[in-house]
Amino acid sequence: DIQMTQSPSSLAASVGDRVTITCRAGLSIGSHLNWYQQKPGRAPQLLIYDASTLQSGVPSRFSGSGSGTDFTLTITSLQPEDFATYYCQQSHVTPPLTFGQGTRLEIK
Amino acid sequence: QVQLVQSGVEVKKPGASVKVSCKTSGYTFVNYGVSWVRQAPGQGLEWMGWIRPSNGHANYRYKFEDRLTITVDTSTRTVYMELRSLRSDDTAVYYCARDLGLVSTVTLDSWGQGTLVTVSS
Repeated sequence: DIQMTQSPSSLAASVGDRVTITCRAGLSIGSHLNWYQQKPGRAPQLLIYDASTLQSGVPSRFSGSGSGTDFTLTITSLQPEDFATYYCQQSHVTPPLTFGQGTRLEIK
Repeated sequence: QVQLVQSGVEVKKPGASVKVSCKTSGYTFVNYGVSWVRQAPGQGLEWMGWIRPSNGHANYRYKFEDRLTITVDTSTRTVYMELRSLRSDDTAVYYCARDLGLVSTVTLDSWGQGTLVTVSS
């Protein structure tokens, strides 16, 4: 199984801040990396697929980059609704689909 | 619009089985896979298995292979997840999700609302 490691595990920021979350794969996965957002008590939602393609309906303040083993999710100008947990997930070698452990983004 | 609607809360005793349903609508059912993902309380996401609705072919995470079965009823556009020999650490919210992969699991672009399964004596 391909191990996915996110950093940091939690992050405190303020409305209007720019934040970056990192995801590292245990081996090269090309651009086969997706990002999800999960709010408390809700199902995850796909934000970005193939490392940098925004899912339909996702605000443009979200962006993704990277390839190989190192990836980032960036949120510019944080909005109140962005405080949530974010997961990366690799789709390069499946099954299984594997997720990072999650990054909890909290209000400072 | 794409919708996946799951069955309701389940409470089971250790050793029992649970079967959760996921009824889909709003898209061409046989053109997408369906995956199941679970989330234990306060924990992250764990992929369990995937099915190709067009022919019922499924694959499972190795740790679940001997007690997980995913099936499909194309007439009702419903996918089922059955987990047997339940243990307390199977307590979790179970999600179904539409999967863009037709050969294997790839990307989960629409999710059900989740079904809480509690295993307790």
